[in-house]
Amino acid sequence: AQRVTQPEKLLSVFKGAPVELKCNYSYSGSPELFWYVQYSRQRLQLLLRHISRESIKGFTADLNKGETSFHLKKPFAQEEDSAMYYCALRNQAGTALIFGKGTTLSVSS
Amino acid sequence: GAVVSQHPSWVICKSGTSVKIECRSLDFQATTMFWYRQFPKQSLMLMATSNEGSKATYEQGVEKDKFLINHASLTLSTLTVTSAHPEDSSFYICSARKTGTTSFSYEQYFGPGTRLTVT
Repeated sequence: AQRVTQPEKLLSVFKGAPVELKCNYSYSGSPELFWYVQYSRQRLQLLLRHISRESIKGFTADLNKGETSFHLKKPFAQEEDSAMYYCALRNQAGTALIFGKGTTLSVSS
Repeated sequence: GAVVSQHPSWVICKSGTSVKIECRSLDFQATTMFWYRQFPKQSLMLMATSNEGSKATYEQGVEKDKFLINHASLTLSTLTVTSAHPEDSSFYICSARKTGTTSFSYEQYFGPGTRLTVT
């Protein structure tokens, strides 16, 4: 079965502190992993996908197949990073995204 | 580009009635659209996948006869909640895949959601 686990419901950090949002997945094949972000009162939007190997808004995520993880990291958090972050998986058949439960990131000054 | 709209943004209906939610891709064609349901402070649960011109594929545990999905054109999919009950109250979100995207790393574009309250 495909599953995405985000163990933290809430992560609170101070501005300038490093951030790591954890994501683990369960899938027997080679999945495609994504991070989506939802700012207050806005729709879900793509933050990054593992295949692109990009850094978006200072965030990066590396797929670790051995640990089946896709943690989201940022070295210095900003207040505008406060949002709900969802890790998502798509299987090799290319079907719909399966989401984790999400982690609320709160960055305060 | 790649904007998805939903209508209405919120709706209140009485128990036993039906309500239709529209999902439109405004500036692109979407062969495939997805419907999700989100409970307060919880994740998005996939309900069904709809392909233009064919029957929707429902996830396990989702009642086909209760949640009717019609994907009649490349820019419109509708979700009709039939004989609604208070437990159907939720946030319904649609998502669309651009026609022609072949890689499985394609992006899903999300609508703003529709809040349904059944009294």
